[in-house]
Amino acid sequence: GENVEQHPSTLSVQEGDSAVIKCTYSDSASNYFPWYKQELGKRPQLIIDIRSNVGEKKDQRIAVTLNKTAKHFSLHITETQPEDSAVYFCAAYTGRRALTFGSGTRLQVQP
Amino acid sequence: GAGVSQSPSNKVTEKGKDVELRCDPISGHTALYWYRQSLGQGLEFLIYFQGNSAPDKSGLPSDRFSAERTGGSVSTLTIQRTQQEDSAVYLCASSLTGMNTEAFFGQGTRLTVV
Repeated sequence: GENVEQHPSTLSVQEGDSAVIKCTYSDSASNYFPWYKQELGKRPQLIIDIRSNVGEKKDQRIAVTLNKTAKHFSLHITETQPEDSAVYFCAAYTGRRALTFGSGTRLQVQP
Repeated sequence: GAGVSQSPSNKVTEKGKDVELRCDPISGHTALYWYRQSLGQGLEFLIYFQGNSAPDKSGLPSDRFSAERTGGSVSTLTIQRTQQEDSAVYLCASSLTGMNTEAFFGQGTRLTVV
């Protein structure tokens, strides 16, 4: 089955800096890659997603890039703010079973 | 409803007892899934319902776990003879057509087995 690895497990940045979280997947049939943000004690919420026919997608300060050849995708957050502090999960979907999530990255933005 | 609703929000049970966790998905969503999240860990897939198709049960950790979805709407996750390692937050999510569309999560049920 699909295996998703996520790095780093923790990330601390200064407010205003950029943050990058990387994920790799194993199944080349994966075609949908969402990113979820989970604030402390809250439910995960979708922040951005990308499909396999696109290499990059942006939404304000958030962007996701996908390299199908290397089977990895990344989340980029620019001009980080304290409210960006949360756990971020990447996920991959092959169409054959459920979303497979990465292990999560705890992002701490220092004011 | 406005979102995915789960009940109870917290459940403390004694080892060996059975528990039932309920999920009310967003109206009209055909896909429903259960995940488990242990403290500080990622999301572990349990089971996936899609329309009238047979559920994907491949993530259930043991035969003590079962789930059903009645009338294509409400789902119940049942854990029999609970063990301490079952302690976790159980998250339900639904999406409009399948897992390649946005999944909306419930607030979760925090299960503690003592």
